[in-house]
Amino acid sequence: TQLLEQSPQFLSIQEGENLTVYCNSSSVFSSLQWYRQEPGEGPVLLVTVVTGGEVKKLKRLTFQFGDARKDSSLHITAAQPGDTGLYLCAGEEYNAGNMLTFGGGTRLMVKP
Amino acid sequence: KAGVTQTPRYLIKTRGQQVTLSCSPISGHRSVSWYQQTPGQGLQFLFEYFSETQRNKGNFPGRFSGRQFSNSRSEMNVSTLELGDSALYLCASSYSPDREYEQYFGPGTRLTVT
Repeated sequence: TQLLEQSPQFLSIQEGENLTVYCNSSSVFSSLQWYRQEPGEGPVLLVTVVTGGEVKKLKRLTFQFGDARKDSSLHITAAQPGDTGLYLCAGEEYNAGNMLTFGGGTRLMVKP
Repeated sequence: KAGVTQTPRYLIKTRGQQVTLSCSPISGHRSVSWYQQTPGQGLQFLFEYFSETQRNKGNFPGRFSGRQFSNSRSEMNVSTLELGDSALYLCASSYSPDREYEQYFGPGTRLTVT
């Protein structure tokens, strides 16, 4: 079973600050996804990165897939209280259908 | 269109009992996956069904089972419940297991075993 280490586990910052969340593995994934989950709801997909070295931007969020497809990062610029939530990375193994391996999650709190 | 529906949303059971959880995927979706989410272990894959066939299974004991019906609705069953089975059980649906199709998660069923 492939494992994904996500860091930090908790992050409490002030509105306007920048932050980076990391997702690391010793194994190679065919793709990596980032989700955001709010209390009482299921995770919602933010982005899927497929190509090694790929960078995707979603407004103030920047996602990067490592060249070796073993790690990924999520960078948020000028965080806002609405960004508060649980951020999860999930890796998809080759030929594994919809079976995802999730990281432990980063609980982000952005204070106004 | 309607999202993934999971019933019931909350459930309290006693150790030793069994439980059945239900998931109705988004209309047209034929792949359904189940995950267990706990504070200690995070989100862990249970199993995936596509066209009524189990395609993948996670590392869970045989007490955890599932099935999918011809209308793509899925159920999961946990027998002989243990305290450690207390968790949020999430269902996700997609059009197919192909990577290009996004998975959509339901709100989950919160199971508490006492």
